[in-house]
Amino acid sequence: RKEVEQDPGPFNVPEGATVAFNCTYSNSASQSFFWYRQDCRKEPKLLMSVYSSGNEDGRFTAQLNRASQYISLLIRDSKLSDSATYLCVVPHRDDKIIFGKGTRLHILP
Amino acid sequence: GAVVSQHPSWVICKSGTSVKIECRSLDFQATTMFWYRQFPKQSLMLMATSNEGSKATYEQGVEKDKFLINHASLTLSTLTVTSAHPEDSSFYICSARPHRTGTTYEQYFGPGTRLTVT
Repeated sequence: RKEVEQDPGPFNVPEGATVAFNCTYSNSASQSFFWYRQDCRKEPKLLMSVYSSGNEDGRFTAQLNRASQYISLLIRDSKLSDSATYLCVVPHRDDKIIFGKGTRLHILP
Repeated sequence: GAVVSQHPSWVICKSGTSVKIECRSLDFQATTMFWYRQFPKQSLMLMATSNEGSKATYEQGVEKDKFLINHASLTLSTLTVTSAHPEDSSFYICSARPHRTGTTYEQYFGPGTRLTVT
């Protein structure tokens, strides 16, 4: 299994719909995880951190499934502005972080 | 707070020349800065970890003599791409970790530098 793996998409979702995507990781010792959002030709921006109990922020919910070693991101009532690439980030040894290749999301009007 | 700047944001250079990219933490001190590279439709790949006052640690496959990193102060790290070639054309992004007790993996990203080598 790759260290961090994501479905590249693209996910084409109508505005207002709910969309979810997962990220699998290989290091069972990882304790915290992150979802970043990256717009085209821009730097990644932290969206949410994910710990054992998951996290919810408005329309965004992140969950951790430690047994199956994946985290998920769910977006409710999707907006056009949610169109972006969502990067899963998993801490690595030596305080480094590993980025997944990202899942592209297109919200359709 | 926690703003990181990069300069230049966009640069075109001729093959064989060197390019220096600066990464600055504007409102905090950063003990550690990271340099990433991102090719089109690829993820960010860590190139090296830069610690203030010490030598950078390079990831496997990254040539330290080609990508010179200097972290001379707690607010500035520079990446110099020496003898650049077209295959070095990429999006270079730095991130900075605050010099304080906090989340181990807390990083703030610069806006990136797009390098095109002709």
